[in-house]
Amino acid sequence: EMQLVESGGGLVQPGGSLRLSCAASGFTFSSYWMHWVRQAPGKGLVWVSRINSDGSRTNYADSVKGRFTISRDNVKNTLYLQMNSLRAEDTAVYYCARDGGYGSAYPYSWFDSWGQGTLVTVSS
Amino acid sequence: QSALTQPASVSGSPGQSITISCTGTSSDVGGYNFVSWYQHHPGKAPKLIIYDVSNRPSGVSNRFSGSKSGNTASLTISGLQAEDEADYFCGSYTTSTTVVFGGGTKLTVL
Repeated sequence: EMQLVESGGGLVQPGGSLRLSCAASGFTFSSYWMHWVRQAPGKGLVWVSRINSDGSRTNYADSVKGRFTISRDNVKNTLYLQMNSLRAEDTAVYYCARDGGYGSAYPYSWFDSWGQGTLVTVSS
Repeated sequence: QSALTQPASVSGSPGQSITISCTGTSSDVGGYNFVSWYQHHPGKAPKLIIYDVSNRPSGVSNRFSGSKSGNTASLTISGLQAEDEADYFCGSYTTSTTVVFGGGTKLTVL
């Protein structure tokens, strides 16, 4: 059964750092683009970042560019999000999501599997 | 990129049909046939129910259907069931090659 399990969330002070992980199982992880999407309390979903199947291409939302770094380990079947210089507005549940395209050179516009999310709270 | 506009809430009785709208611009919803819909029960993983405007993934009930007209996409749920009570989000490809989502709609089954 296909599964995505996020971890690493927690309470961090403004300006601090946190690294999220997303453990993938039940599918060929190395064949998919992967994404991070977040949802602030009471708000809608916001796309954060994506990485291609071999990790050579990454993209970020303007709101996190220069502060967040997405990466992956295709041996450990794990996706990461390194978050630095955290701000209160980064407080959200962070979801990892699998791209809709198998073996695609380009990302699709939809996400066919999601994790349950991990909560990041930035507060002093 | 601004979020897509969805109604905050909709409701319906079991067996009825409801429609949730998702309004964007010509830079996203209106410009591409790449609208998706997700069902989200709080505390659980979101679930893809419609992709590319009107396609259903394998295993998704045919009670869910999607359409688009101009800058507005719609999700229709027919034969409402208690388990359909959830939050629903739309998403669309954008000219910046990323994805923008709606603010979400809470569906209440009366």
